[in-house]
Amino acid sequence: AQSVAQPEDQVNVAEGNPLTVKCTYSVSGNPYLFWYVQYPNRGLQFLLKYITGDNLVKGSYGFEAEFNKSQTSFHLKKPSALVSDSALYFCAVRDDSSASKIIFGSGTRLSIRP
Amino acid sequence: DADVTQTPRNRITKTGKRIMLECSQTKGHDRMYWYRQDPGLGLRLIYYSFDVKDINKGEISDGYSVSRQAQAKFSLSLESAIPNQTALYFCATSVSTGRSDTQYFGPGTRLTVL
Repeated sequence: AQSVAQPEDQVNVAEGNPLTVKCTYSVSGNPYLFWYVQYPNRGLQFLLKYITGDNLVKGSYGFEAEFNKSQTSFHLKKPSALVSDSALYFCAVRDDSSASKIIFGSGTRLSIRP
Repeated sequence: DADVTQTPRNRITKTGKRIMLECSQTKGHDRMYWYRQDPGLGLRLIYYSFDVKDINKGEISDGYSVSRQAQAKFSLSLESAIPNQTALYFCATSVSTGRSDTQYFGPGTRLTVL
């Protein structure tokens, strides 16, 4: 069975500092991993994904994520946070079988203070 | 995302009423999904459809039904609404030819059942 965990309900970071939003996963096959962002009163927007290849994936708005197979993690990172990065972030996973569905984490609220 | 639209955006109804939420997409995607979002629980899959003749239950389908009227339209019905169905509902689409099944979300429908 697939599962994904976001251990932090909220992450607080000062503007200009690096940020990390954590995600760990469990799948039976090879993982496909995603990060989505949700701004207030909006739907989820795709940020980035890992399918195969380089463990460091670069996405929208300067975000990147590192796939770590041994730790079954896919943490979202950004070198220098902006106040506009404040939003709700969701990690998601599916395995590589054609019938597999995406499972979303519970979300982490990122708050960037000026 | 204007490519995926949901109507209505907000709805307040009473217990026992029948409610239909509609989703339309212009992305040409074959796969469509309905999720509900509750605080602290992330997104949970209600129903999904991989093509017009394919309807599948998700993890929380009880109390809901769906109809895939055309490739571009996927509606969600609550036959007899109850207060614990108060939530934010999202429609999403994806394309089966993509390896990873990246999903594209509508803006959401906020449903309140009194």
